[in-house]
Amino acid sequence: GIQVEQSPPDLILQEGANSTLRCNFSDSVNNLQWFHQNPWGQLINLFYIPSGTKQNGRLSATTVATERYSLLYISSSQTTDSGVYFCAVERGSSSNTGKLIFGQGTTLQVKP
Amino acid sequence: SAVISQKPSRDICQRGTSLTIQCQVDSQVTMMFWYRQQPGQSLTLIATANQGSEATYESGFVIDKFPISRPNLTFSTLTVSNMSPEDSSIYLCSLNTYGGTEAFFGQGTRLTVV
Repeated sequence: GIQVEQSPPDLILQEGANSTLRCNFSDSVNNLQWFHQNPWGQLINLFYIPSGTKQNGRLSATTVATERYSLLYISSSQTTDSGVYFCAVERGSSSNTGKLIFGQGTTLQVKP
Repeated sequence: SAVISQKPSRDICQRGTSLTIQCQVDSQVTMMFWYRQQPGQSLTLIATANQGSEATYESGFVIDKFPISRPNLTFSTLTVSNMSPEDSSIYLCSLNTYGGTEAFFGQGTRLTVV
């Protein structure tokens, strides 16, 4: 099956710093999403981005489907950005199954 | 996006018992799914909840352990049966909107089995 690798596994930042999280995947994809899991376990949608670039406030994401990677940029980090960031993909096919395969996540800690 | 209500949000259960988790959506959706997140791990798909028919389980998950119901397009339940401490996890329901693309998740159920 498709492999999803995220890096780095852990990241510690000082408040105000910028960071880049990476997601590599081993096959073509129909769907790629970035999620933030808060300390209470809830998954928050950040981006649906199977290709191209999107921005939402201090966050932006870029997926280069032909090279099988996606990047999540966090600028001017805040303590509330702490948590686990997941990349999830759906393997590319003629139909959408909706089944997501998750990477192992990047655990981010932002210190005040 | 659809509003997803999942309950209970957390529970502590005795081994050997069963727990049913409910997921209610405020609009009709085609695809609903159940995921498990073991402590410190990523999310793994348990099954696709099919409306009006038996759920489709992923490798490593079986109906006897994780029976799923989906009586209509807005509601599904997952039961964790005959629980053991290894079943302690966060369980999340998920749905796809917009023709089966973007996925959204419920708040999750944090289960501890003692």
